Amino acid sequence: GAGVSQSPSNKVTEKGKDVELRCDPISGHTALYWYRQSLGQGLEFLIYFQGNSAPDKSGLPSDRFSAERTGGSVSTLTIQRTQQEDSAVYLCASSLGGLAASYEQYFGPGTRLTVT
Amino acid sequence: AQSVAQPEDQVNVAEGNPLTVKCTYSVSGNPYLFWYVQYPNRGLQFLLKYITGDNLVKGSYGFEAEFNKSQTSFHLKKPSALVSDSALYFCAVRPPNTGGFKTIFGAGTRLFVKA
Repeated sequence: GAGVSQSPSNKVTEKGKDVELRCDPISGHTALYWYRQSLGQGLEFLIYFQGNSAPDKSGLPSDRFSAERTGGSVSTLTIQRTQQEDSAVYLCASSLGGLAASYEQYFGPGTRLTVT
Repeated sequence: AQSVAQPEDQVNVAEGNPLTVKCTYSVSGNPYLFWYVQYPNRGLQFLLKYITGDNLVKGSYGFEAEFNKSQTSFHLKKPSALVSDSALYFCAVRPPNTGGFKTIFGAGTRLFVKA
């Protein structure tokens, strides 16, 4: 079946502009995660959604970052007034949810964001 | 603070030799533990996980990992490395009883397998 998809695959934007990154999770997956991977570094947790619960936004680096998930499926990560330090690969993942938190995550190919 | 450590930035192994990629964690309770792999120009893929039970878990591509509670470690192993195993490996920990799914990833270890 279809995996996690992300769009665009690459985005070049000028400093100060807003960008929107999209994630389509695997059908039936109730948990959705956003991570940031900077060059040569590990994954930085940004936010996750689980069903209808309030999202865990504890990883968002500043109030310029926000995310929403519409209808329990597609998610959009928005970065306002982009800065050069926002340049990174933004990864989306999804997993089964429910009471057990033991499910593995399935990752999308990522969106490479370059802020000039 | 909760954390995951992968003490080696890079591991070099000759093809056919056993490999170990180390991971230790600092999380209270009994966390869920995961290994993921990122091949060049490809997305992150799940390898294996420890939830409960037998301390030795087996995963994809012949990999296995050993959970050691006393040492709070979850080292990734393979008896005989292949050149195609060369990739970036991430250890991840999901703290228990947090009421959620937040996952903490290590910084990653790059594995080079030489022919």
